[in-house]
Amino acid sequence: QKEVEQDPGPLSVPEGAIVSLNCTYSNSAFQYFMWYRQYSRKGPELLMYTYSSGNKEDGRFTAQVDKSSKYISLFIRDSQPSDSATYLCAMERSGYSTLTFGKGTMLLVSP
Amino acid sequence: EAGVTQFPSHSVIEKGQTVTLRCDPISGHDNLYWYRRVMGKEIKFLLHFVKESKQDESGMPNNRFLAERTGGTYSTLKVQPAELEDSGVYFCASSHGDIATYEQYFGPGTRLTVT
Repeated sequence: QKEVEQDPGPLSVPEGAIVSLNCTYSNSAFQYFMWYRQYSRKGPELLMYTYSSGNKEDGRFTAQVDKSSKYISLFIRDSQPSDSATYLCAMERSGYSTLTFGKGTMLLVSP
Repeated sequence: EAGVTQFPSHSVIEKGQTVTLRCDPISGHDNLYWYRRVMGKEIKFLLHFVKESKQDESGMPNNRFLAERTGGTYSTLKVQPAELEDSGVYFCASSHGDIATYEQYFGPGTRLTVT
């Protein structure tokens, strides 16, 4: 079983839709949870990070972590064509500095 | 402020040859990481430098890979001799020493193709 599972998509939505991206994980030692956005031929760009369980909001983006279910989500409100990218979840154990990534979900927002 | 830069952006080499990848982290970042993404797989950690010291090299696949960070600035990753399965995108990331290391900033990657 992989440590982090993420549906690769693609996920296609119309402009303005609410997007829900998710990851599940198996290692209960993960304490920090990140979402990265990656455009084609570019490096991953950190969008949001959350420590332990809870919600965090930043503009149109909301990250949720449910450690009891080992499930994390990223919601994008009022999605825009410029949001079209691959979204990667990543996780880190406390005291360690290495990131464990999901495979990424490709999101396509059509005008 | 310049971001993480990597050179070259793309390298095509034959099996058995040697390739050296370079990463310049964000100025002042003590932490430097190498990751790799093989086609169809997730991005995987290779190693972590703190300044010039290797903090964690548990992700290095074998002894054909050699990473250095002389002087604690830029880093090189050498693959010698290259094998077909080494093909992929190699990412470098850096983070500030005084800030939680999960705030890693990634470079654009070097796409390595071994034929």
